[in-house]
Amino acid sequence: QSVLTQPPSVSGAPMQRITISCTGSSSNIGAGYDVHWYQQLPGTAPKLLIYGNINRPSGVPDRFSGSKSGTSASLAITGLQAEDEAEYYCQSYDSSLSGPVFGGGTKLTVL
Amino acid sequence: QVQLQESGPGLVTPSQTLSLTCTVSGASINSPNYYWSWVRQHPAKGLEWIGYIFFNGNAYYNPSLKSRLTISLDTSRTHFSLRLNSVTAADTAIYYCARVFGGDLFWYFDLWGRGTLVTVSS
Repeated sequence: QSVLTQPPSVSGAPMQRITISCTGSSSNIGAGYDVHWYQQLPGTAPKLLIYGNINRPSGVPDRFSGSKSGTSASLAITGLQAEDEAEYYCQSYDSSLSGPVFGGGTKLTVL
Repeated sequence: QVQLQESGPGLVTPSQTLSLTCTVSGASINSPNYYWSWVRQHPAKGLEWIGYIFFNGNAYYNPSLKSRLTISLDTSRTHFSLRLNSVTAADTAIYYCARVFGGDLFWYFDLWGRGTLVTVSS
């Protein structure tokens, strides 16, 4: 049972827009801690996709965007491409754990 | 270009100690801007933060692992290490080392090693 809750899977057709939700609580996202997102392609290490709720590291396409409100956050992907098929994880900091926490991951399938 | 590389045994006997090293190249562990972390991923499962260490040697652990865990820096400041005692099959996972950028309200893993699979089995 992960501290942050994500849907196990989402799917979309090429060029469509999808969103992945991440729900936390008052000890993590709701406490004001930033949310970050990672993309894990099959057989590879996670890669930072969004940091500080809305910021993209250099090299990440602007098709990826993040948002945060209250105790939740979302990752949006527009113009879906086959290469976006991966596992996506949200992450924040939890004051009860005194450390970083992850969501359980969402598998994105491009139809 | 900063790179992290995990190394260590791929097979550990139950009840023994799992030891891994992360070699950092292209950056100094002495930087006060980063923490140096371990994260694991059980087979076909999600990510679990294990712990991290700061350049001054202060280490912070996941409470669920704290009693069995030691993270340390080597004196050359080019490696940091993980030791997990009394392992069981539940410790079988891919172990990643990662760099953490942390502050008051943000803590994120901006750079990852490729990961190393550790299997606990007799």
